[in-house]
Amino acid sequence: NAGVMQNPRHLVRRRGQEARLRCSPMKGHSHVYWYRQLPEEGLKFMVYLQKENIIDESGMPKERFSAEFPKEGPSILRIQQVVRGDSAAYFCASSPAGGTRYEQYFGPGTRLTVT
Amino acid sequence: AQTVTQSQPEMSVQEAETVTLSCTYDTSESDYYLFWYKQPPSRQMILVIRQEAYKQQNATENRFSVNFQKAAKSFSLKISDSQLGDAAMYFCAYRSLNSGGGADGLTFGKGTHLIIQP
Repeated sequence: NAGVMQNPRHLVRRRGQEARLRCSPMKGHSHVYWYRQLPEEGLKFMVYLQKENIIDESGMPKERFSAEFPKEGPSILRIQQVVRGDSAAYFCASSPAGGTRYEQYFGPGTRLTVT
Repeated sequence: AQTVTQSQPEMSVQEAETVTLSCTYDTSESDYYLFWYKQPPSRQMILVIRQEAYKQQNATENRFSVNFQKAAKSFSLKISDSQLGDAAMYFCAYRSLNSGGGADGLTFGKGTHLIIQP
């Protein structure tokens, strides 16, 4: 059973470009969480999605950031018009259902560098 | 909102010795989950151990155990017989039983960098 997959592992973008980060949850998992890790920091929750629904986006910056989890295909975290401050590692986690008793399984992360 | 504090940015221990990593948290909730995650240089987040707040018994996983002091809001991780492969960043994390307003996500501390001296 493959784990959570994220691609690309490394992404370099110039200021003003768009970044698209993809996350394929574990097989059978329909809940996805996105986190951001700035240098020397812990992970910060961004957004929680189920298939075709955003459940909780309270950790997402209000502008330039969006996330989706379509019925088919991976979850996408999209950052428009990237700035240097967006440089970070972005982690995706998945769980088979919502609720505290279900563990979140993490992917390897995507390291975004904005030049 | 909950906060998690790890006051030790870096710890060093001799191989085969025991080390304890500290974590305190702040919450007004009575039931919640606490976790320790390991992040090696590969950056993969690996769950080390989990504790349910309603359980008084401290969780253990092989060489890893916790000292959970609910009244003091303290959740330390003890690693016995340290091995070179234990070298990593260790993050303490909190999860609420509620949902919405960010509660579905884990709240992480800033981490402790553990160095194992051969």
